[in-house]
Amino acid sequence: NAGVTQTPKFQVLKTGQSMTLQCAQDMNHNSMYWYRQDPGMGLRLIYYSASEGTTDKGEVPNGYNVSRLNKREFSLRLESAAPSQTSVYFCASSDDQPQHFGDGTRLSIL
Amino acid sequence: GQQLNQSPQSMFIQEGEDVSMNCTSSSIFNTWLWYKQDPGEGPVLLIALYKAGELTSNGRLTAQFGITRKDSFLNISASIPSDVGIYFCAGRNAGNNRKLIWGLGTSLAVNP
Repeated sequence: NAGVTQTPKFQVLKTGQSMTLQCAQDMNHNSMYWYRQDPGMGLRLIYYSASEGTTDKGEVPNGYNVSRLNKREFSLRLESAAPSQTSVYFCASSDDQPQHFGDGTRLSIL
Repeated sequence: GQQLNQSPQSMFIQEGEDVSMNCTSSSIFNTWLWYKQDPGEGPVLLIALYKAGELTSNGRLTAQFGITRKDSFLNISASIPSDVGIYFCAGRNAGNNRKLIWGLGTSLAVNP
């Protein structure tokens, strides 16, 4: 039972490059979420998808786009990466609460 | 965005000691969640609370949903080295059923 799977686990980009972070869940959850975690900032919600076919902005959506490809998959795209987007990105899923998390993607932008 | 006030920010204790941490909010919540994050991993749910006054245990962990619905605490009894990590509280208010509001975490170090 994999739960929430994120790929890749690590990535280094140059400023201006684009990148898509992938997330898949096998728990048949309706809702999925993307967070970023920075030192001292806790978890901040970037985007979420309450159900297949819907997406909504979270607390820090600027510079990101998302796609809810189907019920299982929710991807996060950086169109033009900036150093300020260096962070650890977490995907989560839930039916109502609580949320279940993947192990994160560690992204560095030079 | 709104955040919870989680304290203490960090703790360094001796193995065997009890630990207490808490979260407070300026608004009323209908759900409180406590997560633990180990280095290099995602947060893992420890305890979920859904009713004011609810007291729930999970092994050596005990958490309570405050009567005012604006606070929650987590206690760890007889700490062991594997308790090391960051503990997060998260809450959901009645206004938004999908989004959680997060504390900034309590970093726990245990000296064997």
